[in-house]
Amino acid sequence: GEEVAQTPKHLVRGEGQKAKLYCAPIKGHSYVFWYQQVLKNEFKFLISFQNENVFDETGMPKERFSAKCLPNSPCSLEIQATKLEDSAVYFCASSQGGAGASTEAFFGQGTRLTVV
Amino acid sequence: SQKIEQNSEALNIQEGKTATLTCNYTNYSPAYLQWYRQDPGRGPVFLLLIRENEKEKRKERLKVTFDTTLKQSLFHITASQPADSATYLCALPFSGGYNKLIFGAGTRLAVHP
Repeated sequence: GEEVAQTPKHLVRGEGQKAKLYCAPIKGHSYVFWYQQVLKNEFKFLISFQNENVFDETGMPKERFSAKCLPNSPCSLEIQATKLEDSAVYFCASSQGGAGASTEAFFGQGTRLTVV
Repeated sequence: SQKIEQNSEALNIQEGKTATLTCNYTNYSPAYLQWYRQDPGRGPVFLLLIRENEKEKRKERLKVTFDTTLKQSLFHITASQPADSATYLCALPFSGGYNKLIFGAGTRLAVHP
């Protein structure tokens, strides 16, 4: 497709429940990035993939967060045992090249996760 | 560590005027810098990329400058319109390996009729 598709648009979870977010990158794009946007527009990098391989996971709280990008499937970001502080908008972006190739990133509409 | 600063206060200007937004960075010499626009409830949309060897880049009513000595980029919107009201984000490739983009907090622009 010609746009990054994220589902669901909204997700509400009770504290301690699991949350799973999905992202279908633009066809032909090799790189996928996940960002968390909290108050005041601050974007926090979580993880990036080059095709199905983890490229950079330095932003991931690994004890509860995991992510995958498998061939022929949407990428996913999963949060086990959600906490109130996980409430945020999660954005997925894809690009043809990585940040090193100075290509633009195309963002999805985001998934708003509310943990209650 | 790498730091990006954008004016966190909203910029209010009159329609028809030129809006100028600032992006300052420290502890880094990036090979390029990007500007994105974000509307409420939506993901950022790419606007312009400027490389370290380019002083200025233009696209329609948009102009970006890149001063690597001052470590600053300026983003201008000329003949601004209410439809230009949005949050504008600057982004740099991460200094530790160019494997991700780091975003500033963004500046909200409000253009009044």
